[in-house]
Amino acid sequence: SQTIHQWPATLVQPVGSPLSLECTVEGTSNPNLYWYRQAAGRGLQLLFYSVGIGQISSEVPQNLSASRPQDRQFILSSKKLLLSDSGFYLCAWGGSPTPLHFGNGTRLTVT
Amino acid sequence: SQKIEQNSEALNIQEGKTATLTCNYTNYSPAYLQWYRQDPGRGPVFLLLIRENEKEKRKERLKVTFDTTLKQSLFHITASQPADSATYLCALDDTNAGKSTFGDGTTLTVKP
Repeated sequence: SQTIHQWPATLVQPVGSPLSLECTVEGTSNPNLYWYRQAAGRGLQLLFYSVGIGQISSEVPQNLSASRPQDRQFILSSKKLLLSDSGFYLCAWGGSPTPLHFGNGTRLTVT
Repeated sequence: SQKIEQNSEALNIQEGKTATLTCNYTNYSPAYLQWYRQDPGRGPVFLLLIRENEKEKRKERLKVTFDTTLKQSLFHITASQPADSATYLCALDDTNAGKSTFGDGTTLTVKP
């Protein structure tokens, strides 16, 4: 069966520090991969999605970037965090037309 | 502009009653509409998917309807239980877009 791993679960980082969140998927090949961000009490905002290695589509211009160095690995990065980068970050695989399968998320607090 | 609207207010109901959640959209041509459940601090979990040419879909105590004329989906939980308390998100997959856009969710509380 397919599983998705996302880490760390929580992260507190100072403004201006770098960020690297990693997501890996097991049990499926060539999945569509997604990074979403969720503000408190809000829905999910799509940040990046990837349909294959090295193929990244950015949905919202911002202080973040994504990479897909391997088929089942998706990384979200920032060189310098801003306060506004705080939020709940979710990785997912699947998507149109199959449902999305989410990881358990990373709660990022930028101080 | 495109917009997805779910019940803005939290929904509180008594155990055993039917909960009905609404998802309205504008300026979309969705090929699919999905409903997810999200518990605090966790990622959303898929519940049901309904296609544009389907009117209704059921799964156990859950029922989803999809009216592309009204641009609305209704999500029903019958014989609700306290364990059904969670936030429920609807998501639209625009035709050929390859990605899902989510509403802000409705928080349901079922009281014993």
